[in-house]
Amino acid sequence: AQKITQTQPGMFVQEKEAVTLDCTYDTSDQSYGLFWYKQPSSGEMIFLIYQGSYDEQNATEGRYSLNFQKARKSANLVISASQLGDSAMYFCAMRAIGSSNTGKLIFGQGTTLQVKP
Amino acid sequence: EAQVTQNPRYLITVTGKKLTVTCSQNMNHEYMSWYRQDPGLGLRQIYYSMNVEVTDKGDVPEGYKVSRKEKRNFPLILESPSPNQTSLYFCASTAGHTEAFFGQGTRLTVV
Repeated sequence: AQKITQTQPGMFVQEKEAVTLDCTYDTSDQSYGLFWYKQPSSGEMIFLIYQGSYDEQNATEGRYSLNFQKARKSANLVISASQLGDSAMYFCAMRAIGSSNTGKLIFGQGTTLQVKP
Repeated sequence: EAQVTQNPRYLITVTGKKLTVTCSQNMNHEYMSWYRQDPGLGLRQIYYSMNVEVTDKGDVPEGYKVSRKEKRNFPLILESPSPNQTSLYFCASTAGHTEAFFGQGTRLTVV
């Protein structure tokens, strides 16, 4: 069975500093994708970054990078130079690729990040 | 503009009164899903669909029905809503090899 675990219910970071949000996963699928989404207080789900299980390099998107450690089954999100607008809930998610579970996106419990001025 | 459209955004209803939340996507995606979001539990999948007329249960399907008669639409039906179905609901679609696109969410309250 697939499972995503986010162990940090809430975190604080000072503006302009970097922060790491933890995500570990469990799956028996050989090929899978890992995602991070941001949910601001307005409620919408915003896609941030994607990492494929066979990608050799860690994904980066602007200030977001995904620290992918396949052997440890971790996919931590790193936000550099935090901004006040980064205050939100962040979800890690996973989906199998190329199997009957491709349509199933499994989410973690979420981490609430607050950026202090 | 590529988007997933859910309606309504907010809904307050009474126990037992059938309701439908609509979801439509304009990206020709094969996969569509419904999720509910509850505090401390993240998003949990209710149902998903791999294509027209192909649906499967997610992790929390009890009390819900879905249908996929057309590729773009994937309505969520609550035949007899109960207070424990009070939640924030999201519809999402994906091509399978890309990220999922989410609707704006439907905040449902059952009293």
